[in-house]
Amino acid sequence: GNSVTQMEGPVTLSEEAFLTINCTYTATGYPSLFWYVQYPGEGLQLLLKATKADDKGSNKGFEATYRKETTSFHLEKGSVQVSDSAVYFCALTLPGSQGGSEKLVFGKGTKLTVNP
Amino acid sequence: DSGVTQTPKHLITATGQRVTLRCSPRSGDLSVYWYQQSLDQGLQFLIQYYNGEERAKGNILERFSAQQFPDLHSELNLSSLELGDSALYFCASSPLLGGRSYEQYFGPGTRLTVT
Repeated sequence: GNSVTQMEGPVTLSEEAFLTINCTYTATGYPSLFWYVQYPGEGLQLLLKATKADDKGSNKGFEATYRKETTSFHLEKGSVQVSDSAVYFCALTLPGSQGGSEKLVFGKGTKLTVNP
Repeated sequence: DSGVTQTPKHLITATGQRVTLRCSPRSGDLSVYWYQQSLDQGLQFLIQYYNGEERAKGNILERFSAQQFPDLHSELNLSSLELGDSALYFCASSPLLGGRSYEQYFGPGTRLTVT
C-alpha cells in the first residue's frame, strides 16, 4: 500500500540553525508529494508541493526536492526562526481515476521547536 | 485562511451521544474530504465526496456517516460516541475533478471531546 515515513521527533534547534526533516514514501503509481505545517492550536496549512520527479517545492525559505530514485522528499531550511516552531507533516496523494486527487496519506508528523 | 470553514470549533459531549460536524468547502471546489487526527492514529482519511456522491472510503467506522448537499457543504455524523472518538476532525476541499491540481485545502478543524 501507499505510505509515508518521516523522521520521528521532537526536533529542537536554536534560531538560525539548519533544518532537515527526512521523509520517504512508498507508492503504487506516481504520487504528488506535499509538506503540510500545523502551528499550535491551528489547522493544516500547505507549505510546499512537488508533482513530478526532480521538482523542487519551496515556500517561506523551506525547500524539498522530489527524488524518485530514493523515494524521498526531505524538508530543509537554511536558517530557522522561532516562528517556525510547529508540527510538520509529509504527505502523498495519487491522481484520481478522473483527474483531481485521491486521499492524502500522511506521515506521523515531526514536532519542531526552535529556541531563541 | 484556506477558505474552508468548519463548525463548530469545539464540541464536548457524552458517551453514547450523536453529533454533527459541518464543513463548507472553498468556492468552486466540488471534492470534500474528512480526516481524523488523534494522538495514537495520527492523521487518517475517513471519507471523500465529490459533487454530492461518495467517492472513496477510508477507515471510517460504521457509527460514522457523511453526506454532501447540493450547495456542496458536507456534514459528518458521529453516533454512539465512545471515549476513543475524541479527536480533531478536519475537512479539506480540492478543485474540480479532472483538473491537474492535487492540493487539498484544510479547514481549521473541529475538536471533539467525548466524556
